Formats: sequence, C-alpha cells, structure tokens
Amino acid sequence: KQEVTQIPAALSVPEGENLVLNCSFTDSAIYNLQWFRQDPGKGLTSLLLIQSSQREQTSGRLNASLDKSSGRSTLYIAASQPGDSATYLCAVTPDYKLSFGAGTTVTVRA
Amino acid sequence: KAGVTQTPRYLIKTRGQQVTLSCSPISGHRSVSWYQQTPGQGLQFLFEYFSETQRNKGNFPGRFSGRQFSNSRSEMNVSTLELGDSALYLCASSGQAGHFNSPLHFGNGTRLTVT
Repeated sequence: KQEVTQIPAALSVPEGENLVLNCSFTDSAIYNLQWFRQDPGKGLTSLLLIQSSQREQTSGRLNASLDKSSGRSTLYIAASQPGDSATYLCAVTPDYKLSFGAGTTVTVRA
Repeated sequence: KAGVTQTPRYLIKTRGQQVTLSCSPISGHRSVSWYQQTPGQGLQFLFEYFSETQRNKGNFPGRFSGRQFSNSRSEMNVSTLELGDSALYLCASSGQAGHFNSPLHFGNGTRLTVT
C-alpha cells in the first residue's frame, strides 16, 4: 500500500524567505505526482503536476522536483508572501487512485 | 469557465439517515472523482466516474455509492450514516480518466455533520 509522508506538519517563516516542502512516498511505481494548495474551508487547487518521466516542473515562483528512485519530491516556493499561507498537499498516482499526504501547513509572517 | 460546483455546502444529518451530495464538473470534463477529508485520516479517495461508469473505488464500505449522469454531473450517496462519516466531501473533475496526465480541479466541498 502506498504511504505518502509530508514533513514537517507545520512551518512558519518570515515574508521573503524561500519555502522548502518535502514529500516522500514508499512505492516508486507511480504515474505522476501532484502538489496542491488548500485554503481553510476550501477545496484543493492544483499547483504542479510532474509526470513520472519528468524530474521537475516550474510555474512562476514554484518549482517541484521528483526523484522516483528515492521516493521523494520537493516543492520550492521562492520569496514567500503572506498570500502563500495555506496547507500544501502532495499526492501520487500509483494506479487509478490518488494517495495523499497529510499536508504541510505554512504560515508566512508579514 | 465555471469551476466545479458542489451542493449543498453544509449538511447536518442524524445517525441512520442517508444523504446525497451533488457535483457539477467543469464543462467538458468527463471524469469526476470523490474524496473524504477528515482530521484523523486526511484525504482519502472514494471513487471515480468516467462517462457514467465507475472506474475505480477506494477502501470504503458499500454504504458509500455514487453515480454519474450523461451530462457528467455526479452524485454521491451515503446510507445508514454513522458519526464517523462526518467529514468534508470533495469532488474533482478532470479532462481525462485515471488522474494520469491532466490536473484535477476541485470544488469547495460539502461539509457533512452527523449527529
């Protein structure tokens, strides 16, 4: 069974600092990995999708890397802003289902 | 383009009752998947529908069921409600089945409270 772990569970940084969020998974046989953002009481917003054949994806200030062999992905958010405060979740697709991590709750202090 | 719409936003039910939740996907999306989110278990996959057919199902009891209509709208039904069914239920739509190549678009969820 695929286990997805996100450490730390919570993170607080001052505005302007770069954010590094980690995601690890136990089974490297995945089709893709996605990073999502969730604001309180809301649904999830897709941030980046990395296919299993790719090593990284970039969108604006966001960059995500994928190392299938070690079962790890890292989401980098450059020059954090208070608006980046949210819970960030990663999810992998080992088959026709999504397995989610528990998320990292980020607070960016102004 | 309108996003994914879930109704109702909030629901309070009593143990033993049944409930039906609705999800309207983004226009043109034929895949709809459902998820349960709780503080203890996190986000868990319930099932996915594509072109009116259930393609995949998560590890939930048979009390959880769903269906998809020809216009891609989907409903989820939970029968004989238990206290542990209290959760945020999210649906997501995608242009492709199986979560492979296209991002998921989520609704804001239905908050179900079972008393």
